[in-house]
Amino acid sequence: DAGITQSPRHKVTETGTPVTLRCHQTENHRYMYWYRQDPGHGLRLIHYSYGVKDTDKGEVSDGYSVSRSKTEDFLLTLESATSSQTSVYFCAIGPPGLAGGETQYFGPGTRLLVL
Amino acid sequence: AQKITQTQPGMFVQEKEAVTLDCTYDTSDPSYGLFWYKQPSSGEMIFLIYQGSYDQQNATEGRYSLNFQKARKSANLVISASQLGDSAMYFCAMREATEGTGNQFYFGTGTSLTVIP
Repeated sequence: DAGITQSPRHKVTETGTPVTLRCHQTENHRYMYWYRQDPGHGLRLIHYSYGVKDTDKGEVSDGYSVSRSKTEDFLLTLESATSSQTSVYFCAIGPPGLAGGETQYFGPGTRLLVL
Repeated sequence: AQKITQTQPGMFVQEKEAVTLDCTYDTSDPSYGLFWYKQPSSGEMIFLIYQGSYDQQNATEGRYSLNFQKARKSANLVISASQLGDSAMYFCAMREATEGTGNQFYFGTGTSLTVIP
């Protein structure tokens, strides 16, 4: 199994509070991704990173920010949580390059409930 | 336009029968990869099978095969001899291999498969 951990695994918070989710990898992959998964929508990309301090927006980036100060850590911050951000958040890493059939590897997910 | 379309929200199959899960994709990139993932009720995402756009043969991995029809832009997953443990959500995904796309994966909305004993 790829070495990806997410913390926390479950979180309940209140509307308006900031929340930070952490993704940690031990694979030294350049690419890291944050997705959210909601019924009827599959996985949607929030932000991704292609190196330390190099990040870009995905399809559903509004209300989220990210930071990557080390290769192994990719943080997702909900600056002021809203109920619409209640979701399951997945971190993924890889693939290492553009060629070939290398897949992404996913973390175990974080269940976030915003009340 | 949706990059990946999965038109079957839910499917049922009898145990030991084969089932096909549909996936169509949209890209103008000549080089791309197609992936299928399984998500059981426990929530983890499990990689199943990969097909490259230049691959001449359909990919196979054990009981999984990918029916790749390039002209139709379809990449259907075929599961043979279904087992109860195959009950899960299945996601089709695509990655375009062009530099500058951020190495992004695009996912479909998923198909929920239920295997009936």
